[in-house]
Amino acid sequence: DAGVIQSPRHEVTEMGQEVTLRCKPISGHDYLFWYRQTMMRGLELLIYFNNNVPIDDSGMPEDRFSAKMPNASFSTLKIQPSEPRDSAVYFCASSLVSYQMETQYFGPGTRLLVL
Amino acid sequence: DQQVKQNSPSLSVQEGRISILNCDYTNSMFDYFLWYKKYPAEGPTFLISISSIKDKNEDGRFTVFLNKSAKHLSLHIVPSQPGDSAVYFCAASAYQTGANNLFFGTGTRLTVIP
Repeated sequence: DAGVIQSPRHEVTEMGQEVTLRCKPISGHDYLFWYRQTMMRGLELLIYFNNNVPIDDSGMPEDRFSAKMPNASFSTLKIQPSEPRDSAVYFCASSLVSYQMETQYFGPGTRLLVL
Repeated sequence: DQQVKQNSPSLSVQEGRISILNCDYTNSMFDYFLWYKKYPAEGPTFLISISSIKDKNEDGRFTVFLNKSAKHLSLHIVPSQPGDSAVYFCAASAYQTGANNLFFGTGTRLTVIP
């Protein structure tokens, strides 16, 4: 399996622009997680899905952030409008079961820079 | 507020010596702890975990110790190898509450000097 695939790997945009990050989980995994990594806060869980349904979005920082999972093989994280403080590395992870925490497989991340 | 803290952003160790990475947490509901390892341009990968019913878990060169009274855990790597150079994240969850959240620390960058 190719593992969790994220695109783009790097994104540079200007403040106010819309940014869309994409994730393809490992085939057969029914949990999908979006994380954000910053120097100050480490890795933070933003939202996670089970069988394409959002279960907990309490980590989504603001209404500017939204996430969707239209099918089992694709998810998007959208920031609109983007701000410089959104600059971070965004990771997507997937797993078969949620309670076995170690079975979360992470993608390589998208490094976002908002100017 | 940061519930999992890694107060040392970096650590350098000579090859063959012991590496000790520390992690503190504040939430007494946490009952499952994990260490992840991250290489540049890659996502974190699971390394080792420990349940709160134990105080030690060992896997080859890696041992995690848990001190519940002090809300402290540590990862020992013996002997350290240059390939261990990476960022190590400590994570915790309140697994028995049914929560699916993993709370991560800010990471410690380990450099093993050949």
